[in-house]
Amino acid sequence: ETVLTQSPATLSLSPGERATLSCRASQSVGIYLAWYQQKPGQAPRLLIYDASNRATGIPARFSGSGSGTDFTLTISSLEPEDFAVYYCQQRDNWPPKDTFGQGTKLEIK
Amino acid sequence: EVQLVESGGGLVKPGGSLRLSCAASGFNFSNYNMNWVRQAPGKGLEWVSAISSSGYIYYSDSVKGRFTVSRDNADNSMFLHMNSLRDDDTAIYYCARDPWVAAHFFDFWGQGTLVTVSS
Repeated sequence: ETVLTQSPATLSLSPGERATLSCRASQSVGIYLAWYQQKPGQAPRLLIYDASNRATGIPARFSGSGSGTDFTLTISSLEPEDFAVYYCQQRDNWPPKDTFGQGTKLEIK
Repeated sequence: EVQLVESGGGLVKPGGSLRLSCAASGFNFSNYNMNWVRQAPGKGLEWVSAISSSGYIYYSDSVKGRFTVSRDNADNSMFLHMNSLRDDDTAIYYCARDPWVAAHFFDFWGQGTLVTVSS
């Protein structure tokens, strides 16, 4: 089973600053890593898939990079609505099984 | 517009059973792999089960043998039959869609239904 470890657990930044969130896999997942944003009381929303592809409607300030075991989600200039919890996710090929990181809470400083 | 609407959650005693439903609309449901993902109160996301468009079924180790996933393509619905419920099954249960065959992520999620297991 592939384990995903996110860091930091909490990130305190101000609007306008750059945010860098990390996700490390216990074994290579190739490019097959996704990022989700979740706000309180809401379902997760897909931001990035296959490491670097923005989902439909996601602003250009969100970008993803990485391959193998190390991945990064970058928010270039934080907007007030970006403060939320972010999860990374991957799927093992066989047997098919999805795992999530434990989440990074992005909070207003 | 793609919509996923979960229902069937509620309060159940340990050892009890519950059936969750996920009603899909806005896309050709029969062509898509579907999933259940849960989130315990204040905790992270945990994948529970998947059912492919052709009926292949997969479970997490934590629910295998207790939960059963099924789908009714004629009714555009997916179900999760939960038996032998435990306190640690308490969570919001989301249904989520794979966007295409061989995708490794979920593109649409429902709003979730809350299951509380407590005596």
